[in-house]
Amino acid sequence: GAGVSQSPSNKVTEKGKDVELRCDPISGHTALYWYRQSLGQGLEFLIYFQGNSAPDKSGLPSDRFSAERTGGSVSTLTIQRTQQEDSAVYLCASSPGQTSYEQYFGPGTRLTVT
Amino acid sequence: KQEVTQIPAALSVPEGENLVLNCSFTDSAIYNLQWFRQDPGKGLTSLLLIQSSQREQTSGRLNASLDKSSGRSTLYIAASQPGDSATYLCAVASGNTGKLIFGQGTTLQVKP
Repeated sequence: GAGVSQSPSNKVTEKGKDVELRCDPISGHTALYWYRQSLGQGLEFLIYFQGNSAPDKSGLPSDRFSAERTGGSVSTLTIQRTQQEDSAVYLCASSPGQTSYEQYFGPGTRLTVT
Repeated sequence: KQEVTQIPAALSVPEGENLVLNCSFTDSAIYNLQWFRQDPGKGLTSLLLIQSSQREQTSGRLNASLDKSSGRSTLYIAASQPGDSATYLCAVASGNTGKLIFGQGTTLQVKP
């Protein structure tokens, strides 16, 4: 079956613009995670969804970052008023459930803020 | 707060050598530990998943062990090949949501 997909694969935007990143998880996976990989910080957790709710948003770096998930499937990560430090690869992962299950990662979206 | 450390940060070996990558974590309350491979400019490829109740997992030339009480895991690669050159990441699933906490990775170069 299809794996986790993300779009776009690459995004270049100007500082101050808003961007939306999309994640399509594996069908039937209830848990969805967003991570960010940047040169200085390594791979960091951003937000976790169980179904459409987000019980853990502890990794979002500022209130410019938000995410939603609809229909227990597709998720969108929105970054408002982008800054250069937002440049990173944003990775999405899905899992059949939380805690003990393997997480399956998408290919990521490379965001460059100029 | 869970912290994950990987040693060494970089490793260069000749082809054919057996090698060990190390991963340590500060909080033993984990659900599982995953080893990933990442090629330059690419996403994560899952190599092995060890549940907290398990001691090791094997896949081909790869063997991963887990000692939860001491907060350590090792990834053993047998008979290394140039195609094994990549960054290897260790991650533990912890907390109420099973979010992954990653180490900084070990960059491996296998020379022909």
